[in-house]
Amino acid sequence: DGGITQSPKYLFRKEGQNVTLSCEQNLNHDAMYWYRQDPGQGLRLIYYSQIVNDFQKGDIAEGYSVSREKKESFPLTVTSAQKNPTAFYLCARSIGGRGNEQFFGPGTRLTVL
Amino acid sequence: GNSVTQMEGPVTLSEEAFLTINCTYTATGYPSLFWYVQYPGEGLQLLLKATKADDKGSNKGFEATYRKETTSFHLEKGSVQVSDSAVYFCALSGGGATNKLIFGTGTLLAVQP
Repeated sequence: DGGITQSPKYLFRKEGQNVTLSCEQNLNHDAMYWYRQDPGQGLRLIYYSQIVNDFQKGDIAEGYSVSREKKESFPLTVTSAQKNPTAFYLCARSIGGRGNEQFFGPGTRLTVL
Repeated sequence: GNSVTQMEGPVTLSEEAFLTINCTYTATGYPSLFWYVQYPGEGLQLLLKATKADDKGSNKGFEATYRKETTSFHLEKGSVQVSDSAVYFCALSGGGATNKLIFGTGTLLAVQP
């Protein structure tokens, strides 16, 4: 699994409900990231965190929230304010620092009905 | 700002054919460059990387050379297999402490037996 797990793999929610996606890593890496992928498109950065209790907005943070209370965990909440939440969500980890690669989890496919 | 442009797919090849997927980038400074591969329904896997000009990244028969003079990082493989069928993403890390990745839109490769 590349040292990073996401759950669940598939998630269904009704419109207007908040939903939280789990992301856990076991390699003690400092940096974690959340991306959104839509069909036929590249990945877009939602939020990232370089250290516990600190995180920054990415390019498309509106309608999302995160927390980083523990180094190994970086959950993403998709709120009712996100206008188009149906997408494939990917979490990644990195040792941080300039130019280092990111390693991705298996993803969660969220469908809002 | 930084950006990545990939050739549009799908790319359809017969088994054992030669593969090239073009990738060019725009960036300030000296980015690191990556190729990731995504199989259906899965997360992204790092395929190869290069961190400075003239570096060649290679893995599983795939190669790409960091060409600063042409701002390119084209992916090549001498003989593709059916199992190489996937979506390939070119990405750059623009430097700085955040290590944000900028992705291309992906290129779908379909290899026929």
